[in-house]
Amino acid sequence: EAAVTQSPRNKVAVTGGKVTLSCNQTNNHNNMYWYRQDTGHGLRLIHYSYGAGSTEKGDIPDGYKASRPSQENFSLILELATPSQTSVYFCASGDGLGVRGEQYFGPGTRLTVL
Amino acid sequence: GQQVQQSPASLVLQEGENAELQCNFSSTATRLQWFYQHPGGRLVSLFYNPSGTKHTGRLTSTTVTNERRGSLHISSSQTTDSGTYFCAIGGTGGYKVVFGSGTRLLVSP
Repeated sequence: EAAVTQSPRNKVAVTGGKVTLSCNQTNNHNNMYWYRQDTGHGLRLIHYSYGAGSTEKGDIPDGYKASRPSQENFSLILELATPSQTSVYFCASGDGLGVRGEQYFGPGTRLTVL
Repeated sequence: GQQVQQSPASLVLQEGENAELQCNFSSTATRLQWFYQHPGGRLVSLFYNPSGTKHTGRLTSTTVTNERRGSLHISSSQTTDSGTYFCAIGGTGGYKVVFGSGTRLLVSP
């Protein structure tokens, strides 16, 4: 069973503060993704990576940075958090263009920015 | 960019009824995937189905790539099927995945 974990599971931050969301996968997948989920928008892609050292912008990258220091770890960084970034954040890993191409999701992180 | 439209947005069934969820996308895609989100928030992959028909239990996924559509059929629905179903697609040659807005299903006893 593919395994993706996220930490923290819940986070309350103040406006202007720095927030780091962490994701770890033990699937040895090349690709990792960060999404946010808001009511009425489904899941929207923030950043993704196709291997250690790479990060790519998704559809809504403004206000977010990403870091992929290793195959297993992918972080999402909010340098100056704003209330509009209050959301649920999901990390995923996947095989990319391989035969399967599935994505496996972590349990999510609920972020509240006050 | 790639657009993914799901219908209906919400659906209410009596237990035992069947459901048909639709997914339409704006350009040729090589990957179509269906996800189920539990009421508590956890996302699980149901099908990775780039083309053709796949079955698992009471679920059937059909993808017709050249018609830019996919469907998820749930037969003999159960209350535990309640939750939100998402269609997601990836484009040719790319790693990005785009999600639809989901279909919220409620199955009542």
